[in-house]
Parts: sequence; C-alpha cells; structure tokens
Amino acid sequence: EDQVTQSPEALRLQEGESSSLNCSYTVSGLRGLFWYRQDPGKGPEFLFTLYSAGEEKEKERLKATLTKKESFLHITAPKPEDSATYLCAVQANTGNQFYFGTGTSLTVIP
Amino acid sequence: NAGVTQTPKFQVLKTGQSMTLQCAQDMNHEYMSWYRQDPGMGLRLIHYSVGAGITDQGEVPNGYNVSRSTTEDFPLRLLSAAPSQTSVYFCASSYSMGSQTQYFGPGTRLTVL
Repeated sequence: EDQVTQSPEALRLQEGESSSLNCSYTVSGLRGLFWYRQDPGKGPEFLFTLYSAGEEKEKERLKATLTKKESFLHITAPKPEDSATYLCAVQANTGNQFYFGTGTSLTVIP
Repeated sequence: NAGVTQTPKFQVLKTGQSMTLQCAQDMNHEYMSWYRQDPGMGLRLIHYSVGAGITDQGEVPNGYNVSRSTTEDFPLRLLSAAPSQTSVYFCASSYSMGSQTQYFGPGTRLTVL
C-alpha cells in the first residue's frame, strides 16, 4: 500500500536555526514526490517536485532532496515568515492518485 | 488568471441535507481533483477527473458524487450530509495526470450538524 509519513509533527526553531523535515514513503514505483507549503486557512502552495533519487531542488532558504526511501526539506537560517505547515505527497507510476502525509507544522520564533 | 476558485468558503448543513461545492479553474487543466483535510489525517483524495466526461474514485468516495461536463468546472455533491463529512474541502488542478504541479483552491470549510 502506498504510504507517506512525515516527521516531526511539529518543529519550533529560533530564527536562524537550520533544520530538516523528513518525508519517508513506500510506493510501488515513484512517479514524483512533491513538497507543498500550507498557511493557516489557505490551500497548499506548491514548492518542489522531485523525480529520482539523488535529485535536489532549491528555492530561497529551502532545499529538497530525494533518496529511494525518503525526502528531506532542509531549511537554512529560517525566518518567522517560513512558519507554516509543510506537506509531502507522492504519486505512483501505477495510478492517478496523489498520497499526502500529515505534514510538519513549523514555527520560527524571532 | 484567477487560478482555482471554490465556493462557498464556509457552509453549515444539517444532517441529511444535500449541497454542491463548486470548483472552477481557468488554466485549461485536464486533471482536477477533490480532497478533504481532517486533523491528523492529511489530505485524502475523494474523486478525480482526467478530463471532461471522465471521473474516478479516490481513497474516500462514499457519500460524494462528481461530474465533469466542462474542462473548467468540477463540482462535488454531498448527497445526504453526515457529521462525518465535517471537514475542509480542497479542489486542485494540474495540466495533466502525470507528475505535474497541482494548484489548490482556497478551500471550503463545511460543518454538518
């Protein structure tokens, strides 16, 4: 069964304190792994798509990496405006569906 | 472009009532989908469509109905609302079914009493 697990559930960081969020997945052939940001009361906003192990994508203070079993979202020197819930999703080669994790709630304290 | 729009933003129903959640996109996307988001459960797929006239069930389809008569619109119907359908509903679209960016609407917060 296709499955996505994110950890930790919640993370509090001081401004400037770098850290990583984890997304582990089991899927029968990965078509793509996606990272989204969700602010309270809003819909998810696309950040990155990763397709194969070893791939990396960067955007401002965020860098996403992918292995055969997991993905990491690295946050370098975060700012309070990076506070949000970060969602991970996968799509398998065998179907049309996207499977989402439960997210990591990030709070960056000034 | 307005992107993905959803109406209403908030809705309160009584058990047994029916209603339709509206979703529209102006990006000429073929793939559209409906999710529900519940605390601790993540986003779960209800129904999806890979093009006008084609729909299929997702992970949690029971109690919901969809149709896709145009590329732009993908309404979600609750046939007989139940308290278990209290949730936040998101519509999403992407250019195609493959590994493409999904664009999400702002959501509809539904409460069933």
